Amino acid sequence: DIQMTQSPSSLSASVGDRVTITCRASQRIDNFLNWYQHKPGEGPKVLIHAASTLHSGVPSRFSGSGSGTDFTLTISSLQPEDFATYYCQQSYINPRTFGQGTKVEVK
Amino acid sequence: QVQLQESGPGLVKPSETLSLTCTVSGGSLNSNADYWAWIRQPPGKGLEWIGYMYYSGTTNYNPSLKSRVTISLDMSRNLFSLNLSSVSAADTAIYYCARERWTPMVRGVMDSWGQGALVTVSS
Repeated sequence: DIQMTQSPSSLSASVGDRVTITCRASQRIDNFLNWYQHKPGEGPKVLIHAASTLHSGVPSRFSGSGSGTDFTLTISSLQPEDFATYYCQQSYINPRTFGQGTKVEVK
Repeated sequence: QVQLQESGPGLVKPSETLSLTCTVSGGSLNSNADYWAWIRQPPGKGLEWIGYMYYSGTTNYNPSLKSRVTISLDMSRNLFSLNLSSVSAADTAIYYCARERWTPMVRGVMDSWGQGALVTVSS
């Protein structure tokens, strides 16, 4: 299985802050990397697919970069609705695997 | 806009079979662009992919669960199901159904999810 390692596991930030989350794959996955936002009581929502493509309807403050094994999700200016847990996920090979999650909390 | 909704018992006894259904609206199970997946999240933990099924009948399961998992599609009722046998407390989790989409523009994105169903394994 491909192991996905996210960092940090959690972070505290304020509205307006720039937030960066990293994800590393245990082997090369080209750009088969997706980012999801997950809030309690809801299903996860895709933010970024193919490492850097903003999913339809997602605000432009979200961006993704990377290829191969190292990837980054950036929120340029954190908004109140962005406090949530974020997961990376590879769709390069089965079984699909997720990072362990990064919880973005209020500072 | 496709919508998915999980349903099924919230409590299952140890050693029994967990059965959940995902009803799909606004989309068709026999789309050649879509795989129909199950994912779970144990309390306080991250997301674990269980497996998926394609309209052709092709399935792929997580090796960690493969011996106990069956995913099936019911085209006539536009729903798909998860059966997980011989459950234990370790199978207590929120179970999500999702659509994984493959097109020239999106490759392997789970773009639609249900809201999740909590299943507790306890006697």
